[in-house]
Amino acid sequence: DAKTTQPNSMESNEEEPVHLPCNHSTISGTDYIHWYRQLPSQGPEYVIHGLTSNVNNRMASLAIAEDRKSSTLILHRATLRDAAVYYCILSGLTSGTYKYIFGTGTRLKVLA
Amino acid sequence: SAVISQKPSRDICQRGTSLTIQCQVDSQVTMMFWYRQQPGQSLTLIATANQGSEATYESGFVIDKFPISRPNLTFSTLTVSNMSPEDSSIYLCSAWTSGSPETQYFGPGTRLLVL
Repeated sequence: DAKTTQPNSMESNEEEPVHLPCNHSTISGTDYIHWYRQLPSQGPEYVIHGLTSNVNNRMASLAIAEDRKSSTLILHRATLRDAAVYYCILSGLTSGTYKYIFGTGTRLKVLA
Repeated sequence: SAVISQKPSRDICQRGTSLTIQCQVDSQVTMMFWYRQQPGQSLTLIATANQGSEATYESGFVIDKFPISRPNLTFSTLTVSNMSPEDSSIYLCSAWTSGSPETQYFGPGTRLLVL
């Protein structure tokens, strides 16, 4: 299973953009890149996913490197409610299902 | 999307006993998954629960310790058997549907403390 590497923690000021990096040098051609976040005492929450092209949704943007060996989750304006652990996950179709292997994640602290 | 609930939300159990955790999805889903999250750690996949067949376990997890049922397309149970304090964790279920092939939805988790 392909692995991801993320910084253990990051800090951001409120209302400023946040760029959360993820390295996945062993990604295969059919692996999707997913980002989830986990707020305290909750299950992981879907943020965004992509395959090759950059993606935008109401929560965030995902920038994928041309070689797909790294990606960056962009929160355009961090709020205190964005403080969470952010997980970058790769998944490919294995035995008919998309199995997730979680890495260690990045704990984001947002400063008021 | 899918909304997932788990019961119980938390429990305190005695060593040597077993606990069954229920996971209910508000719509039919293709696959369900069970994860363990030890204190301060990331999530570790325990097994994939298939409807109508045996669950598929990840390395380090066995059916005798974590028996799983999947009687229909909206429900699954995970039993933690013969518990020890090392089993104290958060147990989470998730669901994947072929209608949204790349995305899993997670339940809120069950916090288990074994004394």
